[in-house]
Amino acid sequence: DQQVKQNSPSLSVQEGRISILNCDYTNSMFDYFLWYKKYPAEGPTFLISISSIKDKNEDGRFTVFLNKSAKHLSLHIVPSQPGDSAVYFCAASAGNMLTFGGGTRLMVKP
Amino acid sequence: DTEVTQTPKHLVMGMTNKKSLKCEQHMGHRAMYWYKQKAKKPPELMFVYSYEKLSINESVPSRFSPECPNSSLLNLHLHALQPEDSALYLCASSQVAPGELFFGEGSRLTVL
Repeated sequence: DQQVKQNSPSLSVQEGRISILNCDYTNSMFDYFLWYKKYPAEGPTFLISISSIKDKNEDGRFTVFLNKSAKHLSLHIVPSQPGDSAVYFCAASAGNMLTFGGGTRLMVKP
Repeated sequence: DTEVTQTPKHLVMGMTNKKSLKCEQHMGHRAMYWYKQKAKKPPELMFVYSYEKLSINESVPSRFSPECPNSSLLNLHLHALQPEDSALYLCASSQVAPGELFFGEGSRLTVL
């Protein structure tokens, strides 16, 4: 039973446009959400997070939106750059546990 | 120093071997984690150490044995592994558990 789901395994976007990565969760006990970026042969790198008491958090080109009623969060990258091409993992936290989604491979084309 | 360092980067071992993966951080983080990641899958939590005590063991087989000698070091001892244990083993740390995790680059393990 996957508690955190990223339904799009891949996404292709033109450079300069917006990338929107989506994530759904089922466990209402999750209270902290994170996005990680992973390049091949490297460990995941923390990107941005949001607490369940907020609905938006912005950091430069990256914005995370949280819709608690829909149990949905999304990561917006604007403008997208070729260097953003990587696998993006959504993760959700409850207590000591961090549960990852399956990942979405983002390809930003020049 | 904002790094989590893992050694070795690559390890090939037979099913009868005993080996260890090592992880080190000097960020003063008090929580350390082992994750296992298979190809095209998300990282799966194996163990959590919080203040050098094992706080979570996600039903991991006993052929994997974690050890936290001090707040900066985390080891994963491997013995009698199976080929299906071949994966990328990721170490992570956070200031406290839970928290934003800082990951190492991983140790890629191949069991023959």
